[in-house]
Amino acid sequence: AQSVAQPEDQVNVAEGNPLTVKCTYSVSGNPYLFWYVQYPNRGLQFLLKYITGDNLVKGSYGFEAEFNKSQTSFHLKKPSALVSDSALYFCAVRVRMDSSYKLIFGSGTRLLVRP
Amino acid sequence: DAGITQSPRHKVTETGTPVTLRCHQTENHRYMYWYRQDPGHGLRLIHYSYGVKDTDKGEVSDGYSVSRSKTEDFLLTLESATSSQTSVYFCAISESLAGRPGEQFFGPGTRLTVL
Repeated sequence: AQSVAQPEDQVNVAEGNPLTVKCTYSVSGNPYLFWYVQYPNRGLQFLLKYITGDNLVKGSYGFEAEFNKSQTSFHLKKPSALVSDSALYFCAVRVRMDSSYKLIFGSGTRLLVRP
Repeated sequence: DAGITQSPRHKVTETGTPVTLRCHQTENHRYMYWYRQDPGHGLRLIHYSYGVKDTDKGEVSDGYSVSRSKTEDFLLTLESATSSQTSVYFCAISESLAGRPGEQFFGPGTRLTVL
């Protein structure tokens, strides 16, 4: 079955420190991978995507993600965390359906950045 | 939120009553989706549309129906609401890129409570 796993319910990090939010996937074929962020009482906002090419993908707000095919991972990273980065983060993989594509989401990881 | 509105934003209803949620887009995107978000499950696809009057089921479609009579509107109907349908509902849209959907952009969500 095609799936996405986010093994950590919550990640705590101090402001200014690097952060990593983990994501692993299981899909057939080449994966199209995405990261979204959700702030309280808001919809999901697109951060970045990996389709093909460079394994290090840069996105919005200083975030980047590293695609690792051998480990089937797509971890989200940021060199220096901000308190304002505190939010819920979702990893997703796009899979083919009969008439379209759909996103399969992980269960989400809450990031808490301490001042 | 990428030209996507959802109405109502909040609704409380009673078990057994019909409920219709509306998603409206001003982006003229081909693809539209309805998801529900529940703790520990991330987002799960209910139904999607790949064009006017073209819809199909997602992974949690039981108890829901949809309609899309024009490009900009995608309606989600709960024929007879149950308490298990208490959730936050998100609409998403994506454009067609070389015949395939691009990344999805999400609306602000509708919080539905079924008593």
